Amino acid sequence: AQKVTQAQTEISVVEKEDVTLDCVYETRDTTYYLFWYKQPPSGELVFLIRRNSFDEQNEISGRYSWNFQKSTSSFNFTITASQVVDSAVYFCALSEYGNNRLAFGKGNQVVVIP
Amino acid sequence: DSGVTQTPKHLITATGQRVTLRCSPRSGDLSVYWYQQSLDQGLQFLIQYYNGEERAKGNILERFSAQQFPDLHSELNLSSLELGDSALYFCASSAGTSATHNEQFFGPGTRLTVL
Repeated sequence: AQKVTQAQTEISVVEKEDVTLDCVYETRDTTYYLFWYKQPPSGELVFLIRRNSFDEQNEISGRYSWNFQKSTSSFNFTITASQVVDSAVYFCALSEYGNNRLAFGKGNQVVVIP
Repeated sequence: DSGVTQTPKHLITATGQRVTLRCSPRSGDLSVYWYQQSLDQGLQFLIQYYNGEERAKGNILERFSAQQFPDLHSELNLSSLELGDSALYFCASSAGTSATHNEQFFGPGTRLTVL
């Protein structure tokens, strides 16, 4: 069964600090897909990134970066120079090959203090 | 704006009642998914449709049912409602076939309150 663990429930940072969100996943499949979504206070879920299990390259998109390490089953997310607009709940999710359902972690509540 | 629309935005009803939540996917997307977000269970997958056919089922209660129509919009029907059904219900859609694992784009959600 697929499982995603996001251990840190709430993280508070002062504006301009960096914040890293940990995501550890479990799957028996060799082919799988990992995702990060953002849920701002308005409630919608916003797609951030998709990564397949064969692509371990780290990715950077503006102030966001992702570190995928198969050896530790982790797909961590870093926000550099955080801003108040980054305040949201961030979800890591996993889907296994042949099964599009997303299994979500519990989410990380990020609070950026001005 | 993800391009996925959901109506209504809020729904308040009483125990024992039945409600229908509606979703229109992004233009061209054939897959529709329903998820439930509650404080105790988190975000949980309920059911997936692809081009009108049911493709996958999660922990969806027997009191709940869904369908996808020829115009690709989908409806989630919740009956014999209980207090514990109060939650945010999301619809999502994705491009490609059900085997391509493309990213899912979520609608704004329907907040259901059962009193």
